[in-house]
Amino acid sequence: GAGVSQTPSNKVTEKGKYVELRCDPISGHTALYWYRQSLGQGPEFLIYFQGTGAADDSGLPNDRFFAVRPEGSVSTLKIQRTERGDSAVYLCASSKTSGRHNEQFFGPGTRLTVL
Amino acid sequence: GDSVTQMEGPVTLSEEAFLTINCTYTATGYPSLFWYVQYPGEGLQLLLKATKADDKGSNKGFEATYRKETTSFHLEKGSVQVSDSAVYFCALDSGGSQGNLIFGKGTKLSVKP
Repeated sequence: GAGVSQTPSNKVTEKGKYVELRCDPISGHTALYWYRQSLGQGPEFLIYFQGTGAADDSGLPNDRFFAVRPEGSVSTLKIQRTERGDSAVYLCASSKTSGRHNEQFFGPGTRLTVL
Repeated sequence: GDSVTQMEGPVTLSEEAFLTINCTYTATGYPSLFWYVQYPGEGLQLLLKATKADDKGSNKGFEATYRKETTSFHLEKGSVQVSDSAVYFCALDSGGSQGNLIFGKGTKLSVKP
């Protein structure tokens, strides 16, 4: 079946612009996670959704970052007033349910470059 | 807070060599432990996992044993292949009801023919 998909695969923007990154999880997966992977680092947790609600957004670096999942499926990560330090690969993952021990399936990521 | 430390790379081996990538963790409670792999140009894939102490995860010839006494989850393979060239990430789940993952920095493995 189809895996997690993310669009766009690459996004180049200018400092100060607004960007949206989209994630399509595996059908039927209720849990959705966003991570950010900087060069040479492991992924870092940003936000977690269970269904439509953001159950934990403690990883969002500041209030320029926001994410939604209005119908409990597709999610959009939104970044306002982008800064050069936001450049990274943004990863989305989904799992059948939340909680420990559940395998997370990752998308290919969106590489964001802020000039 | 919870954290994962894994050996820094890059690691370069000849085909059929023995592989060990060290991973240690700090966690409150009893996390599950994972190894993820990222092949060139591809997304992260789960390689293996272990959910409790003394469990051994295995897949594709790779093994790792959850050692609570040494807080370790070292990845091993007896005979690596060129196709194993990738970046390997050790991770744990943070606990609670949500299960978000905490990753190490990754270890790049290159296997030469």
